[in-house]
Amino acid sequence: GESVGLHLPTLSVQEGDNSIINCAYSNSASDYFIWYKQESGKGPQFIIDIRSNMDKRQGQRVTVLLNKTVKHLSLQIAATQPGDSAVYFCAENPWAGNMLTFGGGTRLMVKP
Amino acid sequence: KAGVTQTPRYLIKTRGQQVTLSCSPISGHRSVSWYQQTPGQGLQFLFEYFSETQRNKGNFPGRFSGRQFSNSRSEMNVSTLELGDSALYLCASSLDFGFQGQGANGYTFGSGTRLTVV
Repeated sequence: GESVGLHLPTLSVQEGDNSIINCAYSNSASDYFIWYKQESGKGPQFIIDIRSNMDKRQGQRVTVLLNKTVKHLSLQIAATQPGDSAVYFCAENPWAGNMLTFGGGTRLMVKP
Repeated sequence: KAGVTQTPRYLIKTRGQQVTLSCSPISGHRSVSWYQQTPGQGLQFLFEYFSETQRNKGNFPGRFSGRQFSNSRSEMNVSTLELGDSALYLCASSLDFGFQGQGANGYTFGSGTRLTVV
């Protein structure tokens, strides 16, 4: 498949364990944040989002935490499955326009 | 409901040539944004078109341009190709303006066009 990043940080976890992926964002004025999953040969796929007036949001098996003080986002995946293996990106909407600034990405590998 | 369609999927060009990539948005979506993805620079915003007008632009040289047609389909063009232009070019479509109202659920990416410059 297509490689989206040859030198991405990699997180390797055992199937069934919880995963935590971290991201530092750049713009203190950003007020909307998104996590994306990108599988080989595909475009980024929306996972979960959070606005700056929240510090935590939960979805199905995923939780996003936002710490505005240190400009940090994390994505927690519960009971990680082989199908979760992919590259994960955080993205911020730095202003009200229709564009995103992406973080560098983390490769998640799930061992069966 | 069909997703975002990008054509072609793969392209090989020679340095100095130009290339045109196409993006057909989800039906009803009027905004199309383009991104370049490389191993070194990651995902970077190129530009956004809405109602046939460029509404936002990233920090790329003038060799990168685009346009949008009345049916919301968009094309991007890269002239005088350089080796460093080798990348996955992604487009994303959405209903309207900004993430504040619709959220990122409405912002859908295509699978991209893999451009290789030799």
